Amino acid sequence: DGGITQSPKYLFRKEGQNVTLSCEQNLNHDAMYWYRQDPGQGLRLIYYSQIVNDFQKGDIAEGYSVSREKKESFPLTVTSAQKNPTAFYLCASTQIQGRNTEAFFGQGTRLTVV
Amino acid sequence: DAKTTQPPSMDCAEGRAANLPCNHSTISGNEYVYWYRQIHSQGPQYIIHGLKNNETNEMASLIITEDRKSSTLILPHATLRDTAVYYCIVRVAHGRGSTLGRLYFGRGTQLTVWP
Repeated sequence: DGGITQSPKYLFRKEGQNVTLSCEQNLNHDAMYWYRQDPGQGLRLIYYSQIVNDFQKGDIAEGYSVSREKKESFPLTVTSAQKNPTAFYLCASTQIQGRNTEAFFGQGTRLTVV
Repeated sequence: DAKTTQPPSMDCAEGRAANLPCNHSTISGNEYVYWYRQIHSQGPQYIIHGLKNNETNEMASLIITEDRKSSTLILPHATLRDTAVYYCIVRVAHGRGSTLGRLYFGRGTQLTVWP
């Protein structure tokens, strides 16, 4: 079945450590996105990518980095520069052209800094 | 900033229709209205989208006003499993300018379906 997979589901990190969240899709979608969600809040865009080897900052990119070396993969690194990294992280993908342009989301990674 | 306005919460009796409103008064001519829902601690799920005509699928119906400044998502026979946060979003649907990078999720509407 086609879909978008995030791993791990739960992640614990010590302060000062970098950590990388995985996002893989087999939908052949061009665009991929990372969102952050805090309790009781909507989704805030961190980074997005429309094509391999290219990505753009969203509204809250500081303290995060991404890469898009393959179409199906868009990993997010939470660096030690992110002052408040504890949150629920969601990855999404979408086709850009064609009829079906709705976004598909992964099940999320809950990151906790300990 | 989100381009849509939704009530923060609504409730509905099981088996009744749930009508979720959304205002998008600044919508552009080439922007579609999309609806998603998020069950607690899961990723949002696509429900339906439309441009100006009413749309229906197996999950819901979408009614868009003639001036396109507001819309209503209708769940015809709400069940307990429909309890979720519902997001209304507007965005251009096609082309490289039309990415989720221009799609803003507000806080949505928390729909609670009670027995």
